[in-house]
Amino acid sequence: KQEVTQIPAALSVPEGENLVLNCSFTDSAIYNLQWFRQDPGKGLTSLLLIQSSQREQTSGRLNASLDKSSGRSTLYIAASQPGDSATYLCAALYNFNKFYFGSGTKLNVKP
Amino acid sequence: SQTIHQWPATLVQPVGSPLSLECTVEGTSNPNLYWYRQAAGRGLQLLFYSVGIGQISSEVPQNLSASRPQDRQFILSSKKLLLSDSGFYLCAWTRPLKTGELFFGEGSRLTVL
Repeated sequence: KQEVTQIPAALSVPEGENLVLNCSFTDSAIYNLQWFRQDPGKGLTSLLLIQSSQREQTSGRLNASLDKSSGRSTLYIAASQPGDSATYLCAALYNFNKFYFGSGTKLNVKP
Repeated sequence: SQTIHQWPATLVQPVGSPLSLECTVEGTSNPNLYWYRQAAGRGLQLLFYSVGIGQISSEVPQNLSASRPQDRQFILSSKKLLLSDSGFYLCAWTRPLKTGELFFGEGSRLTVL
């Protein structure tokens, strides 16, 4: 059974700190790995998509990596800002149409 | 560009009443469409997905049903709501590719009293 886990469930850091969010998956036969951001009461916003053949993707201060052999993906946020405070979720795509989500990491960046 | 619209944004319904949530995608054709539910403090649960008009796959037996009457329209329904149906419902879409990126609507908050 495919499972996706995100640890920690919550994280609080001071502004300006670099941080890493973790996502692990049990089955390495993924098609892609996608990171999302969710603000309270809102839908999910896609941040980065890593195809199974890729090792990493970058967008601005965000960098996501994928290591299929170890079943891990990380989201690196550089120079964190209070506006980065949100819940971050990862999702692994296995079979066609089957996305498996982690429970998310709630990030609080303190001014 | 592609956009996804979901409504209503907020809904308060009594137990036993019917439900209809609607989702439409613009700017693309033949999308794969999804309904997810997110309970407080929990992950996303896939309820239904559709790869074409009239084609619905159900992931979890429940009090809900879905329909796709048009290519870019996806509807979540219930004949009689239960208290346990309360939650945050999210519609999403991907292009019909194996490695498609998933895009979400803004969500519909349902409270059943």
